[in-house]
Amino acid sequence: NAGVMQNPRHLVRRRGQEARLRCSPMKGHSHVYWYRQLPEEGLKFMVYLQKENIIDESGMPKERFSAEFPKEGPSILRIQQVVRGDSAAYFCASSPAGQGHEQYFGPGTRLTVT
Amino acid sequence: AQSVAQPEDQVNVAEGNPLTVKCTYSVSGNPYLFWYVQYPNRGLQFLLKYITGDNLVKGSYGFEAEFNKSQTSFHLKKPSALVSDSALYFCAVARGGSYIPTFGRGTSLIVHP
Repeated sequence: NAGVMQNPRHLVRRRGQEARLRCSPMKGHSHVYWYRQLPEEGLKFMVYLQKENIIDESGMPKERFSAEFPKEGPSILRIQQVVRGDSAAYFCASSPAGQGHEQYFGPGTRLTVT
Repeated sequence: AQSVAQPEDQVNVAEGNPLTVKCTYSVSGNPYLFWYVQYPNRGLQFLLKYITGDNLVKGSYGFEAEFNKSQTSFHLKKPSALVSDSALYFCAVARGGSYIPTFGRGTSLIVHP
């Protein structure tokens, strides 16, 4: 049973470009979470999705950031017009259900904005 | 609102000695509590959780944690540390009924040979 997969593992973008981060949850998991980790900080929740639904996006910046989890295919975190402050590690996690269940994390995508 | 405090940025312990990584939390209602470990350039790995029941929870790699409701703490412990336990440890709390955990800032555990 493959774990949570994220790609790319490393992504370099120039300021103003778009970044697309992909996450394939574990088989059988229908809940996906995205987090951002900055150096010397813990994980900051961004968005929680189920198939074709955004359940909670309270941690998402109001502009430039969007996420989706389509019926088929991976979940996508999209950052438009990236700025240097977007440089961070972005982690995806999945769980079989929501409440009380541990999350299984992918290896992360390290985004560097030059 | 829910929050987690990990008061120590770093914990140093000699191999073979017991280790404790501290965590206190604040949440309304019953808490769901979790410990995760992160190795360099890797995602977080689940260690253990407390939902209900016995206050002493046993998890992966010989780790355990004790839920203390009166002190709102969930300290991570291991009787005998290994050098390979050196990593970043995160405590997380979710309010019962909530899907979203809040993570602490992490504690770097360094086990010296």
